[in-house]
Amino acid sequence: GENVEQHPSTLSVQEGDSAVIKCTYSDSASNYFPWYKQELGKGPQLIIDIRSNVGEKKDQRIAVTLNKTAKHFSLHITETQPEDSAVYFCAAPGGGADGLTFGKGTHLIIQP
Amino acid sequence: NAGVMQNPRHLVRRRGQEARLRCSPMKGHSHVYWYRQLPEEGLKFMVYLQKENIIDESGMPKERFSAEFPKEGPSILRIQQVVRGDSAAYFCASSPGEGLREKLFFGSGTQLSVL
Repeated sequence: GENVEQHPSTLSVQEGDSAVIKCTYSDSASNYFPWYKQELGKGPQLIIDIRSNVGEKKDQRIAVTLNKTAKHFSLHITETQPEDSAVYFCAAPGGGADGLTFGKGTHLIIQP
Repeated sequence: NAGVMQNPRHLVRRRGQEARLRCSPMKGHSHVYWYRQLPEEGLKFMVYLQKENIIDESGMPKERFSAEFPKEGPSILRIQQVVRGDSAAYFCASSPGEGLREKLFFGSGTQLSVL
């Protein structure tokens, strides 16, 4: 089955700086890579996703890049703001009939 | 357009009791997934259901755990004779299916505490 590794587990950045979170996956057949944001006491919310036919996707301050050869993908957040503080999860297909297998999460802390 | 609805938000049970967790998928979604989340860990797949069918339960313990998604009404995750190790957040997600099974939309979860 799919194995997703995510790092770092904790990331602290100054407000206004950029943050990058990286994930690797094991199944070369995987073709869909979403990122979820989970705030305290809430469920994960899909913030951006990418399919394997593109290398990069951008939505305002967030972007995802994909390197299929190396089997890794990254989340980039620019001009970070306090409301970006949360736990971020990457995922890839697997884990039950084309559901998702998740990384262990990155706790992003935005320091004022 | 209501999102995925889970209830209760918090559930406290004593060891040996039964826990019932409910999930109503988004309107128009016929695929439901249950995940478990322990503190400081990611989401672990438990079971995948479509209406009246369990498609994949490979992530669910064989004993004490069961799930259903009846033709009418919400999906239910049932844990019998709960133990302290069952304490966790349980999340339900739904997807539109039809080639979009990966696009999961999550509810707010049920926090189960076993005393």
